[in-house]
Amino acid sequence: GENVEQHPSTLSVQEGDSAVIKCTYSDSASNYFPWYKQELGKRPQLIIDIRSNVGEKKDQRIAVTLNKTAKHFSLHITETQPEDSAVYFCAARIRPSPLAGGTSYGKLTFGQGTILTVHP
Amino acid sequence: DAGVIQSPRHEVTEMGQEVTLRCKPISGHDYLFWYRQTMMRGLELLIYFNNNVPIDDSGMPEDRFSAKMPNASFSTLKIQPSEPRDSAVYFCASSFRPLNTEAFFGQGTRLTVV
Repeated sequence: GENVEQHPSTLSVQEGDSAVIKCTYSDSASNYFPWYKQELGKRPQLIIDIRSNVGEKKDQRIAVTLNKTAKHFSLHITETQPEDSAVYFCAARIRPSPLAGGTSYGKLTFGQGTILTVHP
Repeated sequence: DAGVIQSPRHEVTEMGQEVTLRCKPISGHDYLFWYRQTMMRGLELLIYFNNNVPIDDSGMPEDRFSAKMPNASFSTLKIQPSEPRDSAVYFCASSFRPLNTEAFFGQGTRLTVV
């Protein structure tokens, strides 16, 4: 089945610096890679996602890159702010079609999370 | 739509008791996921359904855990008997297959077994 590894587990940066979180996945049937942000005591919420037919996607200060060959993807946050402090999760989703995704079609697996702290 | 709705928000129960967590997915969504979140293990996928049918329950820890989805608008996760190590936040999430887009999470149920 799909296995998603995420690093680092904790990341501490100064305000204005960049932060990078990296993930690897194992199942080549995965084609959708979302990133979620979870603030303390709240639910995970999507901040950006990327599909396997795209190598990079950017949304203001957030960008995600995908290397399908190496099966890894990364989240980049530039000009970090204290409000960026949270837990970030990467995830990989297997194609939702039973024909393309095998017996675990549509499965959504998360990495272990990264606690990001941005110091003012 | 009000989003994914979970109940109860908090549950405190004694060891050995049965616990039932409930989830109402977003209307029209055909995938429903149950996750357990702890500090040690992060977000673990327990089981997920597509069109009310369980697709993969390999994440269910043991036979004390069971999940059902009797219709497209309701799912339950049951623990019987509960143990202190089951204490965690349980999230339900739903998504819409044809677009293969984000999964929307409910607010979670914080379970404490004493």
